[in-house]
Amino acid sequence: ETGVTQTPRHLVMGMTNKKSLKCEQHLGHNAMYWYKQSAKKPLELMFVYSLEERVENNSVPSRFSPECPNSSHLFLHLHTLQPEDSALYLCASSQTLGGNYNEQFFGPGTRLTVL
Amino acid sequence: AQTVTQSQPEMSVQEAETVTLSCTYDTSESNYYLFWYKQPPSRQMILVIRQEAYKQQNATENRFSVNFQKAAKSFSLKISDSQLGDTAMYFCAFRDNDMRFGAGTRLTVKP
Repeated sequence: ETGVTQTPRHLVMGMTNKKSLKCEQHLGHNAMYWYKQSAKKPLELMFVYSLEERVENNSVPSRFSPECPNSSHLFLHLHTLQPEDSALYLCASSQTLGGNYNEQFFGPGTRLTVL
Repeated sequence: AQTVTQSQPEMSVQEAETVTLSCTYDTSESNYYLFWYKQPPSRQMILVIRQEAYKQQNATENRFSVNFQKAAKSFSLKISDSQLGDTAMYFCAFRDNDMRFGAGTRLTVKP
């Protein structure tokens, strides 16, 4: 595997379910990100991790819970979601957190549908 | 707060022609970076081109070039000799300490 991978690619869940999204980067990067992509809206940055420590949480509801066990893996745990949480969830990584020149590399995303 | 605006939700262009996608941003910073990302249908988002704000020369990557107007806070993307594979969502992004994205422009290249 190369680059940034995400599983599952598609997920349908009920509002009472608990599920987790997984992201893995094979680039040796130190920073990882979760974004929410909704139709006709800018990408929303949800969480930022640098060296496995959360450095930013953009007022995301507590029904989204991130976990970064090591610099290569990032999870997004989901519970009691709402239909408006249906979106494409993108994971990204960059070499470091600082440094404006840092390109972010994106995974293919998980298409989440909440019924 | 920095914002990024892409005023063209959808655009289309004939194959082999040139198209320009617009992007404006708002910031009080003087040092920052700008990016254009491409997201093909059902495929991963990839970087197309980037520009450092302190560089006056516009960035160019093969058929892709930018028109960076710092005073106007404008960062447009020009695609020359459009190809069918250029069909995608294009996102303009701004990075100071955080990365901010626009809402995207859906570009369709017609044969």
